[in-house]
Amino acid sequence: DAKTTQPPSMDCAEGRAANLPCNHSTISGNEYVYWYRQIHSQGPQYIIHGLKNNETNEMASLIITEDRKSSTLILPHATLRDTAVYYCIVRFILTGGGNKLTFGTGTQLKVEL
Amino acid sequence: DGGITQSPKYLFRKEGQNVTLSCEQNLNHDAMYWYRQDPGQGLRLIYYSQIVNDFQKGDIAEGYSVSREKKESFPLTVTSAQKNPTAFYLCAAGRGGETQYFGPGTRLLVL
Repeated sequence: DAKTTQPPSMDCAEGRAANLPCNHSTISGNEYVYWYRQIHSQGPQYIIHGLKNNETNEMASLIITEDRKSSTLILPHATLRDTAVYYCIVRFILTGGGNKLTFGTGTQLKVEL
Repeated sequence: DGGITQSPKYLFRKEGQNVTLSCEQNLNHDAMYWYRQDPGQGLRLIYYSQIVNDFQKGDIAEGYSVSREKKESFPLTVTSAQKNPTAFYLCAAGRGGETQYFGPGTRLLVL
């Protein structure tokens, strides 16, 4: 499974963009990058995913470098409710079609006034 | 979450006791998964099932068992063989190789 490296913590001022980096230098050509977040004692919430092109949805943007060895999740206008642990994951396809998400320890994002 | 329910929210287990955690989904997804999360750690895969009546071990299956008799249900039993069962248990469902969606979790505590 491709491993990911994220900073353990980051701070962001409310209303500012939060840029969360992730390194995945061993990613294979057909492996997707997924981002989830987890608010304390809740199940992880899906945010966004991508293969090689940049992606945007109502929650965030995902920027993947051309060599696919790293990516950045962007929350354009962070709010206090975005305080959570953010996980960057490389999805591993299982034999038979399912997929495996290997969660590391993630980045604790703290949004402050 | 949203379409995936887990019960109970908290569960207490006595020494030597088997306990079963419930996971139900109404998303009509084929694949379902069980993960375990320890404090300050990421999630680790226990078991997964891609179709009814079939399931495979994940990375930490020892001391756990599952069944998949119905598409919408994937219960997890924590057996007495699991010596360190205290953790947060998360169930997920997904359409084949696509995005997994998680339930709210069950916290298991040992008395």
